[in-house]
Amino acid sequence: GENVEQHPSTLSVQEGDSAVIKCTYSDSASNYFPWYKQELGKGPQLIIDIRSNVGEKKDQRIAVTLNKTAKHFSLHITETQPEDSAVYFCAATHPTGNQFYFGTGTSLTVIP
Amino acid sequence: KAGVTQTPRYLIKTRGQQVTLSCSPISGHRSVSWYQQTPGQGLQFLFEYFSETQRNKGNFPGRFSGRQFSNSRSEMNVSTLELGDSALYLCASSLAGTGGKEFFGPGTRLTVL
Repeated sequence: GENVEQHPSTLSVQEGDSAVIKCTYSDSASNYFPWYKQELGKGPQLIIDIRSNVGEKKDQRIAVTLNKTAKHFSLHITETQPEDSAVYFCAATHPTGNQFYFGTGTSLTVIP
Repeated sequence: KAGVTQTPRYLIKTRGQQVTLSCSPISGHRSVSWYQQTPGQGLQFLFEYFSETQRNKGNFPGRFSGRQFSNSRSEMNVSTLELGDSALYLCASSLAGTGGKEFFGPGTRLTVL
């Protein structure tokens, strides 16, 4: 099955700086890669996603890049704010899988 | 549109008991997946249902079971609870599964004493 690895497990940045979280996947058939943000006491919230026919997608301060050849994708958050502090999860799935495979999460702390 | 709802939000049980958790998906969504989230293991896939049929199952013992009703609402059941079953149980729904956007509920926090 698919194996998704996520790094780093913890990340601290100063407010206003950028944060980058990286994930790798093993199954070349995977074609959909969402990112989730989970705040304390809440369920994961879908914040951005990318499909394998696209190399980059941007939504205001967040962006995701995908390198299909290397089988890795990254989340970029610019101009970080304290409310960006949360745990972020990457995931991967493919058309016939009926299942998402999640990374182990990155705890992001934005220091005011 | 209302989001995914899960009931109850918190549960405390003792070892050996059984528990049933409920999930109502987003209106129009026919796929419901269940996950177990623990600090040590992250998000672990339990099973996925579509149109009342279980399409996929994760690597959990048979004590974990689920079902889906004709209105797409889903329940999961854990029998003979063990201390290690303490976790946040998350339900997620999507239109049809198979690579579509998946939206999570707030989860049910289960504590087994």
